[in-house]
Amino acid sequence: DAEITQSPRHKITETGRQVTLACHQTWNHNNMFWYRQDLGHGLRLIHYSYGVQDTNKGEVSDGYSVSRSNTEDLPLTLESAASSQTSVYFCASRRGSSTDTQYFGPGTRLTVL
Amino acid sequence: QKEVEQNSGPLSVPEGAIASLNCTYSDRGSQSFFWYRQYSGKSPELIMFIYSNGDKEDGRFTAQLNKASQYVSLLIRDSQPSDSATYLCAVDGSARQLTFGSGTQLTVLP
Repeated sequence: DAEITQSPRHKITETGRQVTLACHQTWNHNNMFWYRQDLGHGLRLIHYSYGVQDTNKGEVSDGYSVSRSNTEDLPLTLESAASSQTSVYFCASRRGSSTDTQYFGPGTRLTVL
Repeated sequence: QKEVEQNSGPLSVPEGAIASLNCTYSDRGSQSFFWYRQYSGKSPELIMFIYSNGDKEDGRFTAQLNKASQYVSLLIRDSQPSDSATYLCAVDGSARQLTFGSGTQLTVLP
């Protein structure tokens, strides 16, 4: 069965370190998204991609970057981790039309000390 | 004004009752509307979507859409304790991506 996976599932890091969260989907979806979820804020879009070599900033992109070298993967990099980036991160993918379902990965809980 | 607003809750209903979850949106170009359920510590999972005005039923769930009023709702009939979760409304707007509401936490009391 097609799926979307994230790794690691839990990560503890220190302020200032670079961190990369992996996202891999086997749906062959063009569209991939990264969200963070914090209490009181719901799901907020960080970055998204509509295809290979395409990346776009979302509403909370500062301090994050992504790259899309193939269809299956969209890694999220925190260039210099800050305590404000402690959150749960969800990757998602979607085929592309307005009626297509968006599927979420299991999430990564990141703690920045 | 938030693009997608949900009644903030928390909402509590007794087992067997109807739970009503509401969502309004601001983008008149929105075409599709999704309801996701999220259990604590888990990722969101799709319950159903709707894109035509009116009602759409799937088992105990009914989604209602009124584009003129920019309003979408989810009714859960015969609510069960297993329905206790946070429900997220998502709207596919003119930006080709989903915008999520903050969610409504539902508790079904046995």
